[in-house]
Amino acid sequence: DAGITQSPRHKVTETGTPVTLRCHQTENHRYMYWYRQDPGHGLRLIHYSYGVKDTDKGEVSDGYSVSRSKTEDFLLTLESATSSQTSVYFCAISDIKGGRYEQYFGPGTRLTVT
Amino acid sequence: AQSVAQPEDQVNVAEGNPLTVKCTYSVSGNPYLFWYVQYPNRGLQFLLKYITGDNLVKGSYGFEAEFNKSQTSFHLKKPSALVSDSALYFCAVRGSYSGAGSYQLTFGKGTKLSVIP
Repeated sequence: DAGITQSPRHKVTETGTPVTLRCHQTENHRYMYWYRQDPGHGLRLIHYSYGVKDTDKGEVSDGYSVSRSKTEDFLLTLESATSSQTSVYFCAISDIKGGRYEQYFGPGTRLTVT
Repeated sequence: AQSVAQPEDQVNVAEGNPLTVKCTYSVSGNPYLFWYVQYPNRGLQFLLKYITGDNLVKGSYGFEAEFNKSQTSFHLKKPSALVSDSALYFCAVRGSYSGAGSYQLTFGKGTKLSVIP
């Protein structure tokens, strides 16, 4: 999984609690992304980062925030978890050096909100 | 806005037979196209990409994809399917510019490939 780790890998939490997911990369790639994967929807972009402290919203950002204080770490926070946020969350990285535009994905975090 | 369609939710093929997983796209400008594979409980793995050049692109694990500009398609192919190819396959297109050199990817909904022994 291309030098990308995600933690935790599995989490069960209760509605209304805050949750933070961590993505850590060892590739020194500039760009980092958070996606959620749901049946019938494919992957949908939540937030992305194009550098330390530089982040922006994706397609489904409501209820999520992110932070990137170091190149290697990108945190996704569910401010007050809801059952609709039960999903599998993937982090991805990319770097356009050398004409590479593809993204590389972490192993995922399965989050269940009860 | 860019979009990707994978018209088949599931494709079944017998082991040893050729396989095709279909993808069509819509994007303004030159298309940058990608295929990914996802095995159960794993992240997506990059298979291949088309940026420019030869319309037939070769990738990992014996897969290839054919870019057809007139039909706006980028179908994934393999001459002889293996049981181990059974997985979920995603097509993606590079989309809108996100600033600072970054582009987003738009993914299709995925096609489940089952290779039957």
